[in-house]
Amino acid sequence: TQLLEQSPQFLSIQEGENLTVYCNSSSVFSSLQWYRQEPGEGPVLLVTVVTGGEVKKLKRLTFQFGDARKDSSLHITAAQPGDTGLYLCAGAPNSGYALNFGKGTSLLVTP
Amino acid sequence: EPEVTQTPSHQVTQMGQEVILRCVPISNHLYFYWYRQILGQKVEFLVSFYNNEISEKSEIFDDQFSVERPDGSNFTLKIRSTKLEDSAMYFCASRVDSYAYEQYFGPGTRLTVT
Repeated sequence: TQLLEQSPQFLSIQEGENLTVYCNSSSVFSSLQWYRQEPGEGPVLLVTVVTGGEVKKLKRLTFQFGDARKDSSLHITAAQPGDTGLYLCAGAPNSGYALNFGKGTSLLVTP
Repeated sequence: EPEVTQTPSHQVTQMGQEVILRCVPISNHLYFYWYRQILGQKVEFLVSFYNNEISEKSEIFDDQFSVERPDGSNFTLKIRSTKLEDSAMYFCASRVDSYAYEQYFGPGTRLTVT
């Protein structure tokens, strides 16, 4: 099993601040996906990164895949209370294989 | 926008009983998955299914578990004799084809075994 370590585990910031959360592994992944999960709901896909060094932007969210495809980061600019949630990274060794999930970063953005 | 649906949203059952969790994947998707998430823990893979066959399963997916696609739209997970430790959120996911990486998850079924 390819383990994914996410950090920090918890993050509490004020509205307007910037933040970065990390997803690290010693294994190589063919792709990494970032999900956001609300309590009692299913993970909602935010983005998929596939190519080493790839950067993708989704409004105020910037996702990067490490050059060696072992790690990824999520940067949020000017966080808003609506960004509050659990951010999960998940990777698979090859397309279609079982996703291995990290434990997530729980983000709280206060007004 | 098409989405994965799951029923029921919450199932309470007694230990030793059989339960069937139902999922309707996105209509043109070919690959189907079940995951579970025990309260406070990470999402864990159970099984993947393609072309009416299991393509991969984890060590969690023992003989008490089975999956089936009984018709063209439903995908089910059966737990034959539930244990207390089976209490968890169960998520169904689907993927469109072999070229895609993305898996789309349903809202989950909360299974409580008493």
